[in-house]
Amino acid sequence: AQTVTQSQPEMSVQEAETVTLSCTYDTSESNYYLFWYKQPPSRQMILVIRQEAYKQQNATENRFSVNFQKAAKSFSLKISDSQLGDTAMYFCAFIKTSYDKVIFGPGTSLSVIP
Amino acid sequence: EAQVTQNPRYLITVTGKKLTVTCSQNMNHEYMSWYRQDPGLGLRQIYYSMNVEVTDKGDVPEGYKVSRKEKRNFPLILESPSPNQTSLYFCASSLRWSGSSYNEQFFGPGTRLTVL
Repeated sequence: AQTVTQSQPEMSVQEAETVTLSCTYDTSESNYYLFWYKQPPSRQMILVIRQEAYKQQNATENRFSVNFQKAAKSFSLKISDSQLGDTAMYFCAFIKTSYDKVIFGPGTSLSVIP
Repeated sequence: EAQVTQNPRYLITVTGKKLTVTCSQNMNHEYMSWYRQDPGLGLRQIYYSMNVEVTDKGDVPEGYKVSRKEKRNFPLILESPSPNQTSLYFCASSLRWSGSSYNEQFFGPGTRLTVL
């Protein structure tokens, strides 16, 4: 069975600084997708970034980028130039390309400090 | 506006009283799913559906039922709710993965359920 681990329950970062959130996963699959979702206090789930496992190039979306290490089964999220609006819970998630179950990690609560 | 709607948004009920949480999407998505969110556990998938009349269990299906009679609707049914089902529930939908393109999941606003 697939599992997703986020070892940092809480983190904080100064505004304008850079922070990295870690995520590791366990799977025997070779083809899958990984995601980072953001959940602000409004509780809405927002897709931040996604990575296809067959792509070696790390995904980037503006200030958000990932460090995908397939052999190590690691998928960290880097947030550059942190903004107050980045304060949220961040969830790492995994889905096989056969697209059935979705596995989420327990989340990391990020606080951006002015 | 493309969206996933859930009703009700808040519900307080008592043990054993059957309830249904509705979920509807207007994006013609094949894949729909229910999750529950609990502190420290993240989101855990309850049931998912790949298309009409096709449903399957996620990681925590006990105590829940679903049906997919229409493409747009995917209700979550609690036949006999218990206090351990007190949680925040999310419905989500997406196009199914096809070929090499993945389609993101769109989430509803959540339903806060309290079972006394």
